[in-house]
Amino acid sequence: QKEVEQDPGPLSVPEGAIVSLNCTYSNSAFQYFMWYRQYSRKGPELLMYTYSSGNKEDGRFTAQVDKSSKYISLFIRDSQPSDSATYLCATHSRNQFYFGTGTSLTVIP
Amino acid sequence: GAVVSQHPSRVICKSGTSVKIECRSLDFQATTMFWYRQFPKQSLMLMATSNEGSKATYEQGVEKDKFLINHASLTLSTLTVTSAHPEDSSFYICSALGQSYEQYFGPGTRLTVT
Repeated sequence: QKEVEQDPGPLSVPEGAIVSLNCTYSNSAFQYFMWYRQYSRKGPELLMYTYSSGNKEDGRFTAQVDKSSKYISLFIRDSQPSDSATYLCATHSRNQFYFGTGTSLTVIP
Repeated sequence: GAVVSQHPSRVICKSGTSVKIECRSLDFQATTMFWYRQFPKQSLMLMATSNEGSKATYEQGVEKDKFLINHASLTLSTLTVTSAHPEDSSFYICSALGQSYEQYFGPGTRLTVT
């Protein structure tokens, strides 16, 4: 079992929709979780960084961690065509990082 | 947010030559930097962990004599692909570790070996 599992998609939504991106993780000891956005042929950009359970909001983005089910989510409200990218979830433990395979998102105008 | 740069952004070289890629943390010091390789539509593949002032730690299957890593300062790590071959063509991305153990990635370097 991989440390982090992520549905690769692709996911296609109309502009303005609410997008839900999800990952599961295997080790209950993980406490730090990240979401990255990667545009084509660019390096990943850190979007959200959360610790332990709960929600964190930043503009149209909300990161949610449910430690009881080992489930992490990224919600995008009022999605825009500029949100079209690959989104990677990640976690780390003792300087070891684990990345999901990424979910490809397309927001259609 | 923290900024990491990479140079060059794109390089084409002939088979058998060596190529150096620089990774710089522009507004913070990074004792640890990482080097990744990414194939089209695939996830990041960690190649090595670079620690300032010490030898890099390579992942299993990555040839340390082929991919030379030097982390001589707190803001600069370099990756040299020695005797490059067409199969080394890829997208190479570096990242720098922030104070809260978050990674900040560079924009990537696309290497094409002809």
